[in-house]
Amino acid sequence: AQSVAQPEDQVNVAEGNPLTVKCTYSVSGNPYLFWYVQYPNRGLQFLLKYITGDNLVKGSYGFEAEFNKSQTSFHLKKPSALVSDSALYFCAVRGGRPTFGRGTSLIVHP
Amino acid sequence: DAGVIQSPRHEVTEMGQEVTLRCKPISGHNSLFWYRQTMMRGLELLIYFNNNVPIDDSGMPEDRFSAKMPNASFSTLKIQPSEPRDSAVYFCASSLGGGYNQPQHFGDGTRLSIL
Repeated sequence: AQSVAQPEDQVNVAEGNPLTVKCTYSVSGNPYLFWYVQYPNRGLQFLLKYITGDNLVKGSYGFEAEFNKSQTSFHLKKPSALVSDSALYFCAVRGGRPTFGRGTSLIVHP
Repeated sequence: DAGVIQSPRHEVTEMGQEVTLRCKPISGHNSLFWYRQTMMRGLELLIYFNNNVPIDDSGMPEDRFSAKMPNASFSTLKIQPSEPRDSAVYFCASSLGGGYNQPQHFGDGTRLSIL
């Protein structure tokens, strides 16, 4: 069975600093990996996806994610955090039916 | 462009009542998904339609739950009878193309409370 782990419930970072939100996965075959962001009382918004190709995927709002097959990881990154990036972030894997991580709350302090 | 539209945004009802949640997908999208989000279980896929046909309903928790998609622009998720443990936020999402590998566009959800 496939699974996704987001080991941190919360990540705190100062505005202007780089941020990383971690995700590891387990799936049979080649993974399709996604990151979504959820703001309060809103639905999830697609940020980026990895299917094949370059291990560094660029997405919306300046976010990027690095696929590492040997470590089965797909960490979300941004070089310089903004207060407006504060939200809940979900990693998802689709080796079949989608499986979402439990989410990581990102808090960017002014 | 209009996104996925869900109604109602909030629903409070008593145990045993029938609940109907509604969804209008993005025009032109041919895949539709219903999800449930709770603190305990996170985000769970309930059912997936492609071209108005249910393809995967293995996530529907029990017979009290049913979903229909009578046409390309409308879907319902019905719970009858409702129970307190059904309290959750229910999301509808749509995507262009079949399967699970396309980005999904989510509505803002229906927050359901069963008393």
